[in-house]
Amino acid sequence: KAGVTQTPRYLIKTRGQQVTLSCSPISGHRSVSWYQQTPGQGLQFLFEYFSETQRNKGNFPGRFSGRQFSNSRSEMNVSTLELGDSALYLCASSPRLTINSYEQYFGPGTRLTVT
Amino acid sequence: LAKTTQPISMDSYEGQEVNITCSHNNIATNDYITWYQQFPSQGPRFIIQGYKTKVTNEVASLFIPADRKSSTLSLPRVSLSDTAVYYCLVGWNTGGFKTIFGAGTRLFVKA
Repeated sequence: KAGVTQTPRYLIKTRGQQVTLSCSPISGHRSVSWYQQTPGQGLQFLFEYFSETQRNKGNFPGRFSGRQFSNSRSEMNVSTLELGDSALYLCASSPRLTINSYEQYFGPGTRLTVT
Repeated sequence: LAKTTQPISMDSYEGQEVNITCSHNNIATNDYITWYQQFPSQGPRFIIQGYKTKVTNEVASLFIPADRKSSTLSLPRVSLSDTAVYYCLVGWNTGGFKTIFGAGTRLFVKA
């Protein structure tokens, strides 16, 4: 099976702009989660989508949003970018065999730099 | 405030067994404990998952005591390529279900 793919891999944006990142999960996986990773804060959970519905959400401002399509592909959007949004954004898909199982498969990430 | 606690770093030598412990005092009743490995500039890689007692796969073992307040990842006979950051993950139901990674343990394997 093909792994999780994320596009683009690298992105440079200016403060105030918005950005959309895309994630294609492993075939058959209905759960897609997004994480932000920075050297200072580590891996932080953004949100999880399952069957097109946001099921869980982390502690991020409303500028961070996402959605999932009927084919399980997911996008996340960050509006009004700030310098602190510079990070590696990781997408993970999961078969979610049980709701409390966290077997996830991560993509390579999108490196976002905000200048 | 971190909900899981791991050692920040560990050193080992090739061929040794490495044990990394994660504390998670307030784990939810039905949560699984999951461990990941991450190399620089890559996404984390799933290693192993368990609920109680012991789980073993081709790369690691996971030991979970009866009270489930901690777990220990055991890597047998490590090699240089096992140098990475290891994360312990548990769910966290605090009025808004979230997944929280620990701070990670940086394992450095020396020749």
